Amino acid sequence: RKEVEQDPGPFNVPEGATVAFNCTYSNSASQSFFWYRQDCRKEPKLLMSVYSSGNEDGRFTAQLNRASQYISLLIRDSKLSDSATYLCVVTPYGGGGNKLTFGTGTQLKVEL
Amino acid sequence: DAGITQSPRHKVTETGTPVTLRCHQTENHRYMYWYRQDPGHGLRLIHYSYGVKDTDKGEVSDGYSVSRSKTEDFLLTLESATSSQTSVYFCAISAPGQGETQYFGPGTRLLVL
Repeated sequence: RKEVEQDPGPFNVPEGATVAFNCTYSNSASQSFFWYRQDCRKEPKLLMSVYSSGNEDGRFTAQLNRASQYISLLIRDSKLSDSATYLCVVTPYGGGGNKLTFGTGTQLKVEL
Repeated sequence: DAGITQSPRHKVTETGTPVTLRCHQTENHRYMYWYRQDPGHGLRLIHYSYGVKDTDKGEVSDGYSVSRSKTEDFLLTLESATSSQTSVYFCAISAPGQGETQYFGPGTRLLVL
């Protein structure tokens, strides 16, 4: 079983739609969680951290469910520019571990 | 954007030849990492460094070595390139206290024939 699992998609949604991605992780000792965004043929870039209480950044909302070991990303009012691959990232060690485990990514395509 | 550059950006080489990839940062960050990204596998950690001359192995270190003689440079060497090392290689950096937030370079596309 992979340490971090994501539905690869693609998720094809119309502009303005709301879309949600889930990610599950296998290591219950995982401490930190992130969503990264990766555009085609580009480097990954941090989108947002995921906090236990859930957090929001504009149109993006991230949630963590430790009991079920999954995290989610909700994108509201999708824009064409949101088209990218979204990587779920987990730190298997507590603070300062510096070793990230990446999911393989979920591809989002926002269409007119 | 974080000041990270990688060179070369693209390289084609032949099986059995040594290859060195360079990562250079201008942020003076302590931690540096090398990843490879392949379809179906996501990003996998090859080696990382937590300071000058301090390095350690990652998940997929076989066939790779690294060196860090200066804070700003982290070199990845493929001792004898194989076709299975055809991949996209990303360098990343992070700062103490922000260890989980890593910033990536633009990547190097390596093709081993």
